[in-house]
Parts: sequence; C-alpha cells; structure tokens
Amino acid sequence: IQLTQSPSSLSASVGDRVTITCRASQGITSYLAWYQQKPGKVPKLLIYAASTLQSGVPSRFSGSGSGTDFTLTISSLQPEDFATYYCQQLNSYPITFGQGTRLEIK
Amino acid sequence: QVQLVQSAAEVKKPGASVSISCKTSGYTFTSHYIHWVRQAPGEGLEWMGTINPSGGSTSYAQKFQGRATMTRDTSTSTVYMELTSLRSEDTAVYYCARRVGAFDIWGQGTMVSVSS
Repeated sequence: IQLTQSPSSLSASVGDRVTITCRASQGITSYLAWYQQKPGKVPKLLIYAASTLQSGVPSRFSGSGSGTDFTLTISSLQPEDFATYYCQQLNSYPITFGQGTRLEIK
Repeated sequence: QVQLVQSAAEVKKPGASVSISCKTSGYTFTSHYIHWVRQAPGEGLEWMGTINPSGGSTSYAQKFQGRATMTRDTSTSTVYMELTSLRSEDTAVYYCARRVGAFDIWGQGTMVSVSS
C-alpha cells in the first residue's frame, strides 16, 4: 500500500493552523499513524488509529480520516513543532510510510 | 519505564554481515511485536520486518527477504536483527520499535556504515 503525503514541504509561522494530508493507494480503514521526527532524533508517535492522540502529546495535534484519506492538523504551531512528519499504514504487511512532510519556519 | 536499548554503531565492509540487538525492559516481552525500521541519511523511514517475541514468527518486507533475519531471546528479552551481504546502500540508522497500536516506543537507533 502506497502512502502519498502532501505537501512534501511547508513553510508556516508560529501560531498558524497547519494541515498535512496522507492518501493511501487502497483502503486501510483507520489503521493510520502519524509521527514527528526532528533532525538526529528518534521518531515520536503522535496519533494512532487515525485520530487517537498518543499519551503526552499536546492537544493542538489532531488526526482525522478513514479509508484512503487522512489528515494531521496542528491547530496553533509552536516553535517546537518544526520537524518532519510521517504517516504510516498498519493495515497490512508490508507496513509502509509516507515520504514525509518537512515543516519549516517561515 | 518501557525502554528499548540498541547495540552500538557498526562499521562494515561490503559483503559483510551485521547483527543489531534490541534489549527491552519495563513490560512483558512476549506481549508485543517488535518491528525494525531503517532510515538512510537524509531519507525517509523504511519498514524492514517484524518478529512476534512470543512464538518467534517473523514477517519481512520483500526487499529484505533472504537477507534479513530477526530472532529473539526470551531469557534476556532481547530481539536481534541480522542483515547479510551488506552494500553501501545499507548505510542507515536502524531502529527497533514496539507496536502497541502503532510504534509507540522506539530504540535509540544504531548507525550502520558500509564502506570499503
């Protein structure tokens, strides 16, 4: 199953509302997760089951969607949110990741 | 607390093999699958395969079938990933990760450099 994220890169300002989309090549029900990765760091789980916030993750992060179309929304960007974001499908093997969305400071 | 601690960085020559360990603690080892993901420099995340620590069954990405082997030692709560016939394209950070819902806990990563 291929995952296509858009955009591939994004420039935004602190306080902005940002949305990243992830489209699956076939239906994956709600078996979708989102990760944040900063340079040189381990990926961090943000959202699983398409919309469930991982414990300890700020509520400004939210996820939605099912089937083939999914979104990650950051309601009000904070300085620590500038990173690369990946979606991941866990519906079937092989597990696959999107190509990533790099979120940069405008 | 739940931890996955990986072995140290490795430098290998083309054609060699590498074995990376992932020692788990803080939870019941046999309760959750462990997955392996790698990331080449400047690239995205690539899933390699998974092992069920309970029975030892495995599933590999087709790309790594025949070259990667994942095993576990229940006495030490440790998972191993061996990759053979290394080539320069295998230069990457290799991560183990526990799946609970999604990949909720990751190891710190092991850098494998392949160079002649």
